[in-house]
Amino acid sequence: NAGVTQTPKFQVLKTGQSMTLQCAQDMNHEYMSWYRQDPGMGLRLIHYSVGAGITDQGEVPNGYNVSRSTTEDFPLRLLSAAPSQTSVYFCASCGQMNTEAFFGQGTRLTVV
Amino acid sequence: AQKITQTQPGMFVQEKEAVTLDCTYDTSDQSYGLFWYKQPSSGEMIFLIYQGSYDEQNATEGRYSLNFQKARKSANLVISASQLGDSAMYFCAMREGLGGYSTLTFGKGTMLLVSP
Repeated sequence: NAGVTQTPKFQVLKTGQSMTLQCAQDMNHEYMSWYRQDPGMGLRLIHYSVGAGITDQGEVPNGYNVSRSTTEDFPLRLLSAAPSQTSVYFCASCGQMNTEAFFGQGTRLTVV
Repeated sequence: AQKITQTQPGMFVQEKEAVTLDCTYDTSDQSYGLFWYKQPSSGEMIFLIYQGSYDEQNATEGRYSLNFQKARKSANLVISASQLGDSAMYFCAMREGLGGYSTLTFGKGTMLLVSP
């Protein structure tokens, strides 16, 4: 009963490095999203997807890239990491009823 | 303007007492949903309760209930009989729009501390 699986759990990057945060769900949900959480800011939407091949920008998309080639996977790419991207990242998926969003465990990213 | 406002940065309650966490929202949509999530110190986001804008009854899930006052645009979370394990950050969130999919907008959260 995996639900939403995010990897890695922790990551330290140097400024300018790139990396991919992985997110997979096994609930056959169409809708998936990426959020970042910063102290005192709640969760803010980075990108989201309404199905395979369809993605769109959220509130804070700059510096991030996404793709959705399968229903299960929704990776988030940091193209050139900056200290401002130090944050906790959450992936979420939601079924068609839209009455509950399931979250992954989160990835704590530090950019030095 | 903020779509979700949680005015209480922190709340303190004694074990076994009830506590209300405030949430007000701003939307012009007729169809929307309101969510509450719990985030313990371990960091995961735990879904607690959902209220749809057309639901006539207040949502309840065990010790959690949502006091939904549509005219006042408020969706307060009530936790009855608090337990030490309820100490956590609590987030109110809203989904807007008719049909299709819309993402969640979160408030900034309320930190709840339950004392023995």
